[in-house]
Amino acid sequence: AQRVTQPEKLLSVFKGAPVELKCNYSYSGSPELFWYVQYSRQRLQLLLRHISRESIKGFTADLNKGETSFHLKKPFAQEEDSAMYYCAANKLTFGTGTQLKVEL
Amino acid sequence: DTAVSQTPKYLVTQMGNDKSIKCEQNLGHDTMYWYKQDSKKFLKIMFSYNNKELIINETVPNRFSPKSPDKAHLNLHINSLELGDSAVYFCASSLGTGAYNSPLHFGNGTRLTVT
Repeated sequence: AQRVTQPEKLLSVFKGAPVELKCNYSYSGSPELFWYVQYSRQRLQLLLRHISRESIKGFTADLNKGETSFHLKKPFAQEEDSAMYYCAANKLTFGTGTQLKVEL
Repeated sequence: DTAVSQTPKYLVTQMGNDKSIKCEQNLGHDTMYWYKQDSKKFLKIMFSYNNKELIINETVPNRFSPKSPDKAHLNLHINSLELGDSAVYFCASSLGTGAYNSPLHFGNGTRLTVT
């Protein structure tokens, strides 16, 4: 079955600490992987996609086909990074989301 | 502004009623979607239309009926509302279903509360 797993429901870190949001996928073929972010009471918006290999707001994500993972990382967390983060495979399968809370 | 817009933003109604949520995109995209975000923030695909044709219908009760009058609009009609329908419903669009570099663009969501 097609599945995206985000094992952490809530991740709490201090400002300036490194952040890693985990995402593993089980998918036939070669899915396109995305990270979407939802700030409080706002729409979901694209953060990163694996094919672009870019860094947005200091976040990066590397696709590891061997481990079927697409973890989201940032070296130094900022307060404004507090949000809900969803990993998605193609456009149909979303993980259950990880709430990131950055504390001062 | 180019965007995906959905109305209403909030919808409070009683069990048994019928309601509709409208969605429009002016991004020139071919594909539109409805997602449901429940109280635990789980996000699940409900429907997808490509150029007005239904291409995805995930195990959704037939009380939910999407309608796409043209490729820029995808409305969601819900009959006989139940308490479990309370959720945030997101409309989204994309250039295509399988095209790379074609992420989803979401609307602001409609918070439906059934009492």
